Amino acid sequence: KAGVTQTPRYLIKTRGQQVTLSCSPISGHRSVSWYQQTPGQGLQFLFEYFSETQRNKGNFPGRFSGRQFSNSRSEMNVSTLELGDSALYLCASSWGLRTDTQYFGPGTRLTVL
Amino acid sequence: AQTVTQSQPEMSVQEAETVTLSCTYDTSESNYYLFWYKQPPSRQMILVIRQEAYKQQNATENRFSVNFQKAAKSFSLKISDSQLGDTAMYFCAFMKPREGSGGGADGLTFGKGTHLIIQP
Repeated sequence: KAGVTQTPRYLIKTRGQQVTLSCSPISGHRSVSWYQQTPGQGLQFLFEYFSETQRNKGNFPGRFSGRQFSNSRSEMNVSTLELGDSALYLCASSWGLRTDTQYFGPGTRLTVL
Repeated sequence: AQTVTQSQPEMSVQEAETVTLSCTYDTSESNYYLFWYKQPPSRQMILVIRQEAYKQQNATENRFSVNFQKAAKSFSLKISDSQLGDTAMYFCAFMKPREGSGGGADGLTFGKGTHLIIQP
């Protein structure tokens, strides 16, 4: 079974631009979560989608948004990029919510100049 | 809110040795799940082991085992017969059952990580 895939793997943007990252979960998984990883703050939870609805949300500004499609694929959007948004963005999928283990993709490395 | 603490920023051992990584957590929840994830230089986060808090038996996966002490809120990872491929960042993570009501931050809570280096 194929793992979680994320595209693109690398992105370079400038301040003020917006960016969209994509995540395809493991086949059959219906939940997708997004995390931000930075050297200073470590790994932080952004949000989780299940059945096309945002179910949980971390403490990030409204510039960070996402959505999930009927095939469980998810996109994350960051508007008005700031230098501090430079990070590795990790997507994780699980079969459901509750107690299911999350499996991670390889990440998208975003650099904001 | 939950917190996860990994007190060892870096550890280095010789190949074939046994190493133990420490993790403590703080929570008021009674039902939760604990994980160890490994992140090698490729940055791919890989699940190592999972422990359910309601289970007294410590989880094991081949060379990897945990020492789960619920009362002490401690969750250490033991790697036996360490191999060069075990070199990676290791993250301890906490998860409570995700209700999905939209009102809470119910994702994984991670520690800062331990950089484990296996020397040849």
